[in-house]
Amino acid sequence: EPEVTQTPSHQVTQMGQEVILRCVPISNHLYFYWYRQILGQKVEFLVSFYNNEISEKSEIFDDQFSVERPDGSNFTLKIRSTKLEDSAMYFCASSEREGAGYTFGSGTRLTVV
Amino acid sequence: AQKVTQAQTEISVVEKEDVTLDCVYETRDTTYYLFWYKQPPSGELVFLIRRNSFDEQNEISGRYSWNFQKSTSSFNFTITASQVVDSAVYFCALSDSTGFQKLVFGTGTRLLVSP
Repeated sequence: EPEVTQTPSHQVTQMGQEVILRCVPISNHLYFYWYRQILGQKVEFLVSFYNNEISEKSEIFDDQFSVERPDGSNFTLKIRSTKLEDSAMYFCASSEREGAGYTFGSGTRLTVV
Repeated sequence: AQKVTQAQTEISVVEKEDVTLDCVYETRDTTYYLFWYKQPPSGELVFLIRRNSFDEQNEISGRYSWNFQKSTSSFNFTITASQVVDSAVYFCALSDSTGFQKLVFGTGTRLLVSP
């Protein structure tokens, strides 16, 4: 069964450093998403991406965050200057079309120290 | 605004017991989708079901069943004859049918099944 692949599975970074979380969505999917889950809390929407641009973003997705689909297969989330409160599990997801279900990746656990 | 409430924070059962996880949602949309996801201790989100708001038929898949009641805005999930492997956090989620359908998640219910 097709999968959404996220790398790395765990990343530790120092406060103030830039991190890039990588995702390879399912190849024929057109809609891409990032979600965040702070430890022990609910999963929260960050951003959706379609046709090479952001379609919607949440209040969490401030100027420190950016997304990119650099080469037609990868979908990345960049955090420019990490803060302690950015420590969370970050999930990438993709969807084939509007109304179809999501497929989530297995997540990247980001720890900011 | 859309909202999903999972009032049960944690449920503990003994293997083979039946257990129902509650989900109540709020939305102004007439067309929407409801989901259940399982998050085992390993952390990934495992898709369980997606239900269209126009389809109020209950669904059964093996030991899992879902009861969608539009009149009470509820989408409850029952596990019959629970097993230790069912231990996980279960999230209910809601999306609208327009735009890019971001998911709004509930806070989750942690299910502990002991032998």
